[in-house]
Amino acid sequence: DAKTTQPPSMDCAEGRAANLPCNHSTISGNEYVYWYRQIHSQGPQYIIHGLKNNETNEMASLIITEDRKSSTLILPHATLRDTAVYYCIVRPQDTNAGKSTFGDGTTLTVKP
Amino acid sequence: NAGVTQTPKFQVLKTGQSMTLQCAQDMNHNSMYWYRQDPGMGLRLIYYSASEGTTDKGEVPNGYNVSRLNKREFSLRLESAAPSQTSVYFCASSYQINTEAFFGQGTRLTVV
Repeated sequence: DAKTTQPPSMDCAEGRAANLPCNHSTISGNEYVYWYRQIHSQGPQYIIHGLKNNETNEMASLIITEDRKSSTLILPHATLRDTAVYYCIVRPQDTNAGKSTFGDGTTLTVKP
Repeated sequence: NAGVTQTPKFQVLKTGQSMTLQCAQDMNHNSMYWYRQDPGMGLRLIYYSASEGTTDKGEVPNGYNVSRLNKREFSLRLESAAPSQTSVYFCASSYQINTEAFFGQGTRLTVV
């Protein structure tokens, strides 16, 4: 699996957009980019995923660069409840390659 | 729908004791996973089951065994608990091995 690199921590003002970067320069053609978050003491929560096109859902937007070597998760209007650790994961499409590991993630702190 | 249910939520074991962590999902998912999360660290994959009847090692399988009892249930067994296995254990499931995963709320295990 391709490895990912994320900044260890970021701050964001409440109501502002939070832009969380992820580098995955060794990603291969059949690997998807997934984002999860983990609010303190809870199980991780799926946010969004994509292959090469930008994606948007009710929680966030995912922007993937044209060369697919990096991506950005955007929370358009961050609230205090968005304070969490955000994990960027690259997972293969092949069904026999199920091993994937969460890294250290980015701790996002949304401040009033 | 309960999603992914883990039991117990908390457990204290003495070194050398054995126990089984239970996980059940009601989403008709094919794939299931066990992770551990140590304080201040990301999740690490212990074992996974791509489909009913199959199990495979993840990143940190030593000291653990798993059983995919049926499509719904995936248990994790510690045969002889060690203090190094003190951690929070998360079970997860996904429709297929490469689709988004849904997590349980975790089992907090302390081995003394």
